[in-house]
Amino acid sequence: QKEVEQNSGPLSVPEGAIASLNCTYSDRVSQSFFWYRQYSGKSPELIMSIYSNGDKEDGRFTAQLNKASQYVSLLIRDSQPSDSATYLCAVSSNYQLIWGAGTKLIIKP
Amino acid sequence: EAGVAQSPRYKIIEKRQSVAFWCNPISGHATLYWYQQILGQGPKLLIQFQNNGVVDDSQLPKDRFSAERLKGVDSTLKIQPAKLEDSAVYLCASSLNHGGGNGYTFGSGTRLTVV
Repeated sequence: QKEVEQNSGPLSVPEGAIASLNCTYSDRVSQSFFWYRQYSGKSPELIMSIYSNGDKEDGRFTAQLNKASQYVSLLIRDSQPSDSATYLCAVSSNYQLIWGAGTKLIIKP
Repeated sequence: EAGVAQSPRYKIIEKRQSVAFWCNPISGHATLYWYQQILGQGPKLLIQFQNNGVVDDSQLPKDRFSAERLKGVDSTLKIQPAKLEDSAVYLCASSLNHGGGNGYTFGSGTRLTVV
């Protein structure tokens, strides 16, 4: 059974600080990794994808991938109250995405 | 480009009744997915279509759930009869590639309440 694990939170971070979200996965041959943001009552929205080891930056967001440790993370710099949401990690496995349960992030003004 | 269209947005039914959801994916997206998301959980794949063929329906409760994508474009998901535990958000998503290597785009979802 392929699994993706995330801490459910809530993770509380002061406004302006760095929020760090983590995800581990079990399928060693996974090649594609995604972070989705889901606001309460809304659908998941793709915010980052990463395919190779290292860091990928997009604005205030940085995705980090370490395939040897089977670990992917998302850093949000200069956190804003509008970043408060649930962040879902998804990992490709056998032609589909395996989803984590999500981490609830709360940015405190 | 237009996004993934879903309807209805909300539905309230009594247990043992039937309900149907509709989804129109992004134009050109061959792969379509139906997910069930229960509050506080990640999305659970119900069924995956590649064009009009089923790729994976291993988690679809086939005694009560059915889905079709007859012309390889839009799709319907039906529940008959509904149970209380079917209360959830039903999400439709589509992707350009089989396997979603570029990620999925989700519709706005249908929130189902079974009473």
